[in-house]
Amino acid sequence: QLQLQESGPGLVKPSETLSLTCTVSGGSISSSSYYWGWIRQPPGKGLEWIGSIYYSGSTYYNPSLKSRVTISVDTSKNQFSLKLSSVTAADTAVYYCARQVGGSYRPRELDYWGQGTLVTVSS
Amino acid sequence: DIVMTQTPLSSPVTLGQPASISCRSSQSLVHSDGNTYLSWLQQRPGQPPRLLIYKISNRFSGVPDRFSGSGAGTDFTLKISRVEAEDVGVYYCTQATQFPWTFGQGTKVEIK
Repeated sequence: QLQLQESGPGLVKPSETLSLTCTVSGGSISSSSYYWGWIRQPPGKGLEWIGSIYYSGSTYYNPSLKSRVTISVDTSKNQFSLKLSSVTAADTAVYYCARQVGGSYRPRELDYWGQGTLVTVSS
Repeated sequence: DIVMTQTPLSSPVTLGQPASISCRSSQSLVHSDGNTYLSWLQQRPGQPPRLLIYKISNRFSGVPDRFSGSGAGTDFTLKISRVEAEDVGVYYCTQATQFPWTFGQGTKVEIK
């Protein structure tokens, strides 16, 4: 059974960089059929897609966050990572990693999700 | 960006009765490859979202057959034929046809 697990600091200071890692188990991150994505959910609010990556390193970012986001992949560790720079209180959210089914050379359905990790931006 | 609008935002239902959620997109979700990348997610309280339905009407692995999806173009519906206690939560429609991928605001299903 595929499992995804987010890890990283739960508290980040304003203006600093948020860094999270997602470890994939029960399947290979190098599968040609899937992409790997990050989604966030502010407390009590809805979902926002942050960006996705293919095992080759191709990335897709939400334009609303693109200037601050970097997603990378480490196939040797079966992990992918998120960095979000210059954070503010508005970036406080539960951050989820997820697998996305590929379709027409782009990430599509989010079929498996991690449990999520709450990141609070506060001094 | 494609805006996804769900109605209602809250749906109190009686156990064993049906429930229906509507999702409307601001543009057609038909992709040039012929697919319509419209999915439904369920988020139970305190849990991560879970994929229920993909490409309008395909149930994901392990999803009970009381869940069904329908629609085309810009109008889509999720139906629960007989609501059970475990169906309580927030339901989201999401599109992956046009970049960036977007979500509806969510519909809360609760028991009367």
